[in-house]
Amino acid sequence: SAVISQKPSRDICQRGTSLTIQCQVDSQVTMMFWYRQQPGQSLTLIATANQGSEATYESGFVIDKFPISRPNLTFSTLTVSNMSPEDSSIYLCSVGGGDTDTQYFGPGTRLTVL
Amino acid sequence: GNSVTQMEGPVTLSEEAFLTINCTYTATGYPSLFWYVQYPGEGLQLLLKATKADDKGSNKGFEATYRKETTSFHLEKGSVQVSDSAVYFCALRTGGFKTIFGAGTRLFVKA
Repeated sequence: SAVISQKPSRDICQRGTSLTIQCQVDSQVTMMFWYRQQPGQSLTLIATANQGSEATYESGFVIDKFPISRPNLTFSTLTVSNMSPEDSSIYLCSVGGGDTDTQYFGPGTRLTVL
Repeated sequence: GNSVTQMEGPVTLSEEAFLTINCTYTATGYPSLFWYVQYPGEGLQLLLKATKADDKGSNKGFEATYRKETTSFHLEKGSVQVSDSAVYFCALRTGGFKTIFGAGTRLFVKA
């Protein structure tokens, strides 16, 4: 299994600002993912964070809005840029792959945009 | 494309009642199937999984059997407890490591 921590755990932000969320894993992992869980809804994959190259974004998500960094095999950041109230969600970091096809999730970052 | 459909909630049960949460899927190839649980205020936790047809995943009294013929992976528990109150997500994963989640089913268990 993998232990994942995220910072911050929650934040309240003003419209038009940006927030960077950090994800730290206790072991080296190949695949890291960022998900969004809007209030009362399921999880939607934003992007796959690739170490040493640009992230791979899902349909409906773009790099300018959600820039991602992956400087090494244990750490990634997701920035939510130019925020609006519609960005209010829980953002989850996840890791998986390797010998097991199980995914593990961080505790999430609860973002509220006013 | 791949998708997961699970029964809408909320589901409200009394303690010690039998639980079934239906989940069906559409997928190309042979996906692995998962149930995740999200307790209030917490992140997702893997509850159980099955990686091939007829496999039964089980954990904490919960069970689900991978039924290829009906493309289903229904979650069951014989006797629920108040502490089982949570949101349950059915999910599938193909070889591309992308996990597709169902909409989630909220379970309330009354004492």
